[in-house]
Amino acid sequence: QKEVEQNSGPLSVPEGAIASLNCTYSDRVSQSFFWYRQYSGKSPELIMSIYSNGDKEDGRFTAQLNKASQYVSLLIRDSQPSDSATYLCAVNMTGNTPLVFGKGTRLSVIA
Amino acid sequence: NAGVTQTPKFQVLKTGQSMTLQCAQDMNHNSMYWYRQDPGMGLRLIYYSASEGTTDKGEVPNGYNVSRLNKREFSLRLESAAPSQTSVYFCASSGSGQGHQKLFFGSGTQLSVL
Repeated sequence: QKEVEQNSGPLSVPEGAIASLNCTYSDRVSQSFFWYRQYSGKSPELIMSIYSNGDKEDGRFTAQLNKASQYVSLLIRDSQPSDSATYLCAVNMTGNTPLVFGKGTRLSVIA
Repeated sequence: NAGVTQTPKFQVLKTGQSMTLQCAQDMNHNSMYWYRQDPGMGLRLIYYSASEGTTDKGEVPNGYNVSRLNKREFSLRLESAAPSQTSVYFCASSGSGQGHQKLFFGSGTQLSVL
């Protein structure tokens, strides 16, 4: 069973702090990794993708990938109340197969 | 730029009734998907179509059928609805054939089966 694991939260951080969201995956040969943000009652939207080991930065967001540890994370710097949402980790595993999603981590940024 | 459009947005069915959820994308994507989302369960893949003319089962296909009508449209049919099918349904599409990457989602359908 190919799995993507996330802590369901809620993760509460004060406004202005760094929020750290974590994800582990079971398939060692996974190639592509994505973070989606989902506001309550809305559809998921892609915010970050990462394909190689290391860090990838986009504005206040940084995705980190460690394939040896089968671990991918999302850091949100200077967290804002508008960042309060559920963050879904998604992994493309072996072959030409659809993404596998984690169950999501609910983030709450407290003003 | 509409992206992925799915209809209806809300639907209430009685047990045993049938219905079809419609989905269309205008991004010239090859791949399309149907997911359901239940509280605490995340997104679970029902069926997908890697390209026009092909469909494959996902994680939870029982009780559903799909049709890839053309490159733009991918419908999901419930032949005999059951309360266990109460959920939020999302259609999605992606343009990358290898890896089914970078999904774009429709706005969702809230379905209640009584």
